Amino acid sequence: EVQLVESGGGLVQPGRSLKLSCAASGFTFSNYYMAWVRQAPKKGLEWVATISTSGSRTYYPDSVKGRFTISRDNAKSSLYLQMNSLKSEDTATYYCARLGSTPDYWGQGVMVTVSS
Amino acid sequence: DIQMTQSPASLSASLGETVTIECRASEDIYSNLAWYQQKPGNSPQLLIYDANSLADGVPSRFSGSGSGTQYSLKINSLQSEDVASYFCQQYNNYLDTFGAGTKLELK
Repeated sequence: EVQLVESGGGLVQPGRSLKLSCAASGFTFSNYYMAWVRQAPKKGLEWVATISTSGSRTYYPDSVKGRFTISRDNAKSSLYLQMNSLKSEDTATYYCARLGSTPDYWGQGVMVTVSS
Repeated sequence: DIQMTQSPASLSASLGETVTIECRASEDIYSNLAWYQQKPGNSPQLLIYDANSLADGVPSRFSGSGSGTQYSLKINSLQSEDVASYFCQQYNNYLDTFGAGTKLELK
């Protein structure tokens, strides 16, 4: 059974940093692109970052480019999202997702609240 | 970035009814389109990929169609468990974008 379990969320002040983790199991992690997708409270979904199987290629929308860094450790079947210079508009539930042609499995999500 | 315009924003329908949700892309996305269902407090669940392929375990009353810039999700014979929000998503490049969502309620 495919499982994706996020951790590392919480309350953080504007301008500070936070690192999210996603532990994957039930599939060969190194064979899949992975992504982070977020959802602000009562809002729609926003793509945050994509990473290739080896980690050599990453993609970000302008809203987080230069502040967020996606990475992975295939030996540990883990995905990460380093978030720096956090803003109030980064407040959201962050989902880790496995990419088939599109996200076919999602984690349960982890809440990040950016507030003073 | 490719913009996805989804309609309607909300929809009220009766049990057994057929409902249709539309999504329009700002440019040709070559059927690289998925539909997701999200129930309150849960993560999104994949329903349809490649515009018209049913994901594993999804009931056959769900179907997708379209090409180019115009796509739709149809739910036949609406069931109570279909009450949820629905999102379209384009994956024509590595910076995917989502529609704003449709909230489906029972009449």
